[in-house]
Amino acid sequence: EAGVTQSPTHLIKTRGQQATLRCSPISGHTSVYWYQQALGLGLQFLLWYDEGEERNRGNFPPRFSGRQFPNYSSELNVNALELEDSALYLCASSLGAGGYNEQFFGPGTRLTVL
Amino acid sequence: GENVEQHPSTLSVQEGDSAVIKCTYSDSASNYFPWYKQELGKRPQLIIDIRSNVGEKKDQRIAVTLNKTAKHFSLHITETQPEDSAVYFCAARDSGTYKYIFGTGTRLKVLA
Repeated sequence: EAGVTQSPTHLIKTRGQQATLRCSPISGHTSVYWYQQALGLGLQFLLWYDEGEERNRGNFPPRFSGRQFPNYSSELNVNALELEDSALYLCASSLGAGGYNEQFFGPGTRLTVL
Repeated sequence: GENVEQHPSTLSVQEGDSAVIKCTYSDSASNYFPWYKQELGKRPQLIIDIRSNVGEKKDQRIAVTLNKTAKHFSLHITETQPEDSAVYFCAARDSGTYKYIFGTGTRLKVLA
């Protein structure tokens, strides 16, 4: 069974540009979570999608947005990039809302903002 | 707001010794507490979890304890091995919003 995949592996942008990160969940999983992992910090919750809908978002500005497609894949968009957006962005998928479904993480996209 | 504090930030133990990592959460609506292991350059992986209606759970050399009253939960690793060296994250999930709040991680080094 294929795990969670993310693309691209690395992304280099300049300040003010926009970045798009993609995530493909494990087959059968309907929930996708996005996290930001800055150097030396834990995982900061960004967004949660389930069944195509945004269910919750963390304490991030509106320039962080995303969507979930009918096949449950997801993309994260970051507009007006700032230097402090440089981080590893991880997505995780799970079987769905409710219960105690395990989150499976992808390998991450390392975003560097110059 | 919701917060999870994790201690210590770094921990070095001799091979064969035990390691204990502690977390404290603030959201009383939290009902699920997973622990993740992240090896260098790899993705976080779930190693053990505990629900709020359980006080302790064990899986071979790994155990987790939960004190709901004090809002504390801890990871215990016995008979540590070099391959246990990694960063460990605790997390607490809110029962209503399903939002996960992570601790800042503990870098565990097991010295051979």
